[in-house]
Amino acid sequence: AQKITQTQPGMFVQEKEAVTLDCTYDTSDPSYGLFWYKQPSSGEMIFLIYQGSYDQQNATEGRYSLNFQKARKSANLVISASQLGDSAMYFCAMRDSPGYTGNQFYFGTGTSLTVIP
Amino acid sequence: DVKVTQSSRYLVKRTGEKVFLECVQDMDHENMFWYRQDPGLGLRLIYFSYDVKMKEKGDIPEGYSVSREKKERFSLILESASTNQTSMYLCASRLTGGAGGYTFGSGTRLTVV
Repeated sequence: AQKITQTQPGMFVQEKEAVTLDCTYDTSDPSYGLFWYKQPSSGEMIFLIYQGSYDQQNATEGRYSLNFQKARKSANLVISASQLGDSAMYFCAMRDSPGYTGNQFYFGTGTSLTVIP
Repeated sequence: DVKVTQSSRYLVKRTGEKVFLECVQDMDHENMFWYRQDPGLGLRLIYFSYDVKMKEKGDIPEGYSVSREKKERFSLILESASTNQTSMYLCASRLTGGAGGYTFGSGTRLTVV
C-alpha cells in the first residue's frame, strides 16, 4: 500500500492567489513526521516545511503552511500569494518508525505546480 | 554551508558498462540514501546506509549495489548498466532521530544508451 498519496499530478494557479496541494498518508505508528519538498526544474530538492505527529499547531514557514488533519491523515501544503518562482514539482514525504529504519522517508509521486502570470 | 555533493550532474553510459555514482556529505550524518526519480513514480528508495559498512535494501535494489567505506561517502554501483536504469539519481543524508529532514544532493541524470 502507498504510504504517501498525492492525487494531483498537475496544478495551475494564478499569480498572487493561494493554492493547496493535497497529501494523504498511511501509517499505524503514533510517532511520525511529515515533510514537503520543492523541486525546481534545476533538479535540486529544497526542504519547505515539517510537521510532527504530536505537534498541536499547524506548521508555517513564511508563505508556506501545512494543513494537518490527523484524523483524516492528510497533510496538505498551502502556498499563499503564489509567485512565478513557485512553479516546480512538490513532493510530500513521511518518516515513521523509530530506530534506524525510521530514518527512511517515503515520498509521494509529486504535484507539478505552474503559476500563471 | 552544509552540503551533499554528487560527483556528476549528467552522465551517459553504454549498456553493459559498470557505473559508479558517488555521493559525499560534509555534515557527519550517519544515514545516507540513494533514490531514483522517474516521472509519475516519484522517488523510490534503492539502498540506504545507517553506518559505515552497513547497508539496507530499499524498495528497488535489483541491478544495484552500494558501498560505504567511509562515513562521508556513499557510492551507488550499477554492475551492468541497462537502458531501464536511465533515470535521475538523488543522494540524501540525514542525522539519526530527531525532526530533521533529508539534505539532498543536486542529482545525477544518467542516460544508458
